[in-house]
Amino acid sequence: SQTIHQWPATLVQPVGSPLSLECTVEGTSNPNLYWYRQAAGRGLQLLFYSVGIGQISSEVPQNLSASRPQDRQFILSSKKLLLSDSGFYLCAWSFTLYSGSADTQYFGPGTRLTVL
Amino acid sequence: RKEVEQDPGPFNVPEGATVAFNCTYSNSASQSFFWYRQDCRKEPKLLMSVYSSGNEDGRFTAQLNRASQYISLLIRDSKLSDSATYLCVVNSGAGSYQLTFGKGTKLSVIP
Repeated sequence: SQTIHQWPATLVQPVGSPLSLECTVEGTSNPNLYWYRQAAGRGLQLLFYSVGIGQISSEVPQNLSASRPQDRQFILSSKKLLLSDSGFYLCAWSFTLYSGSADTQYFGPGTRLTVL
Repeated sequence: RKEVEQDPGPFNVPEGATVAFNCTYSNSASQSFFWYRQDCRKEPKLLMSVYSSGNEDGRFTAQLNRASQYISLLIRDSKLSDSATYLCVVNSGAGSYQLTFGKGTKLSVIP
């Protein structure tokens, strides 16, 4: 069976500091990978997705970036955090349908980030 | 128009009650539909996929009306453990890797 891990679970960072959140998936190969953010009282916002190593698509222009150095590893980074970066960051994975359409996504436990 | 729209609630229902949630979506090209549940401060978890013919999983029944671009979720015999936020989710159409999430409907089942 597949499992997805995220760390850290919680993080408190000062404004202007860097960020690195990591996500890994076990039990499958070549998954699609996704980063979402959920701000307090708001819906999930897709930030990045990746269909393969080194392939990153950005949905929202901002001071965040993503990388996929290995097949089952997805990293979310920032050089300088803003107050508005606070939120619940969720990594997800899915299989790829032959049609290329989105399949069911499975979420990691998330990282709760507070920027002070 | 919001892409996926849900009544935010909260729906406060007694144990054993039947409750229905509705959702509308704006993208007529959407092909995959899901209901997720999200407990407070936790990640969303898949509750069920929604098929054109409608589908049932125990106390949960999902319906899809493509013509009206409308999805529903019915929960029968509500349990305290059903208390959560229910997210309506649709994909962005053929060839798209993206899912669009509604903001969710909050359900509280009361003893």
